[in-house]
Amino acid sequence: DAGVIQSPRHEVTEMGQEVTLRCKPISGHDYLFWYRQTMMRGLELLIYFNNNVPIDDSGMPEDRFSAKMPNASFSTLKIQPSEPRDSAVYFCASSLQGYFYEQYFGPGTRLTVT
Amino acid sequence: AQTVTQSQPEMSVQEAETVTLSCTYDTSESNYYLFWYKQPPSRQMILVIRQEAYKQQNATENRFSVNFQKAAKSFSLKISDSQLGDTAMYFCAFMKLAGYGNKLVFGAGTILRVKS
Repeated sequence: DAGVIQSPRHEVTEMGQEVTLRCKPISGHDYLFWYRQTMMRGLELLIYFNNNVPIDDSGMPEDRFSAKMPNASFSTLKIQPSEPRDSAVYFCASSLQGYFYEQYFGPGTRLTVT
Repeated sequence: AQTVTQSQPEMSVQEAETVTLSCTYDTSESNYYLFWYKQPPSRQMILVIRQEAYKQQNATENRFSVNFQKAAKSFSLKISDSQLGDTAMYFCAFMKLAGYGNKLVFGAGTILRVKS
């Protein structure tokens, strides 16, 4: 398997622009997670899905952030409008319920908002 | 809410020596997992080792082993025969097991530098 795939790997955008991050989980996995990593806050969970349904979005910082999972093989995290404080590395991870609960991480997307 | 504390922001070790990274956690749960993840400069998050709370035996994976002290809520990682490729940020993480939700709560991380 190719592992969790994220695109783009790097994104530079201007404040106020819409940003869309993409994730393809490992085939067959039923959980998908979005994390954000910053120097100040470390690694924090934003939202996770089970069988394409959002279960917990309590980590989403504000209404500018939204996430969707239209099918089992694709998820997006959108920021609209983006702000400089959104600059971070965004990770997607997937896991299979009951399989030791191990989460497999994608390579991350480094977002820079100028 | 669960919290995970890694009290060592940075550590260094000579190649071939042994190093121990500390982690403590706070929870009222009895059923949970603990993990150590490694993040090298490539920033890829890699699972190093996993410990189920119901198991008394400490987990081991080749040169990596843990010292799990459930009563003390301590979960340290020992790396034996350190190699240059072990240079990375190491994160301790907690996962509560309760129906829905295998969310990971991460510590702040420890930067480990292996010196030749």
